[in-house]
Amino acid sequence: DAKTTQPNSMESNEEEPVHLPCNHSTISGTDYIHWYRQLPSQGPEYVIHGLTSNVNNRMASLAIAEDRKSSTLILHRATLRDAAVYYCIPENSGYALNFGKGTSLLVTP
Amino acid sequence: DAGVIQSPRHEVTEMGQEVTLRCKPISGHNSLFWYRQTMMRGLELLIYFNNNVPIDDSGMPEDRFSAKMPNASFSTLKIQPSEPRDSAVYFCASSLGAPTEAFFGQGTRLTVV
Repeated sequence: DAKTTQPNSMESNEEEPVHLPCNHSTISGTDYIHWYRQLPSQGPEYVIHGLTSNVNNRMASLAIAEDRKSSTLILHRATLRDAAVYYCIPENSGYALNFGKGTSLLVTP
Repeated sequence: DAGVIQSPRHEVTEMGQEVTLRCKPISGHNSLFWYRQTMMRGLELLIYFNNNVPIDDSGMPEDRFSAKMPNASFSTLKIQPSEPRDSAVYFCASSLGAPTEAFFGQGTRLTVV
C-alpha cells in the first residue's frame, strides 16, 4: 500500500487560500489520488481525485507533482464551513478507500 | 436521490445484546462499503460488497460481526453479542464501481454499555 503523510493540523483565515499537502512517495503509476473531507458529525464526502494532471472542480483544485510523489489540495477561498478533516487517499487495493488520519483544518474568522 | 440512508442514527445497547445496523445505498450503485470510526483507530474498512456479493471481509473484527446484502437496495451489519469495545460510529457508503466517488451515509453511533 502507498504510504501517505499529511500534517496533523493546519489553520487558515477565512477567505484566504489553503494549500493542504500530502506525500505519497510509494504510489504506483496507475493509482489515482482521492481527497475526501469529513465535517464534524458527518460522514466523509468526496472532494476531488486525479491521476497525473491538475484537476479542478467547484469545490477545490488538485495539484499533482510531476513525479506523482506528492499532491496538494487547494481551497481557493476558505470559509468557516470548510473546517473539516481532509483525507488524502491513494488507491491501493483497487476498490476500497483506506483512510489515514488526515489533516484537521481550522478556519478562523 | 436521498443519498445513502442508515438506520438507526443512534443505538444504545447493553453488552451481550444483538445489534443490527441497516443501510440503503443509492439506487443504481453496485458497490457497498461498511466502515467503522473510532478516535483511536480512525476510519476502518470492515467489508466491501460488489453486486451484492461480499468481496473482501478481511476488516471484520471477529466472528461476532456479520454483514449481508440480500439485494441491491439493502444491507445489514450485525454484531452478536455486542461488547463495549464495539462502541463507534459505523458508516455505510456506496458507489458506482470502485474505487470511484463514494457517497457516505450519516452514520450510526453505537454505544454498548
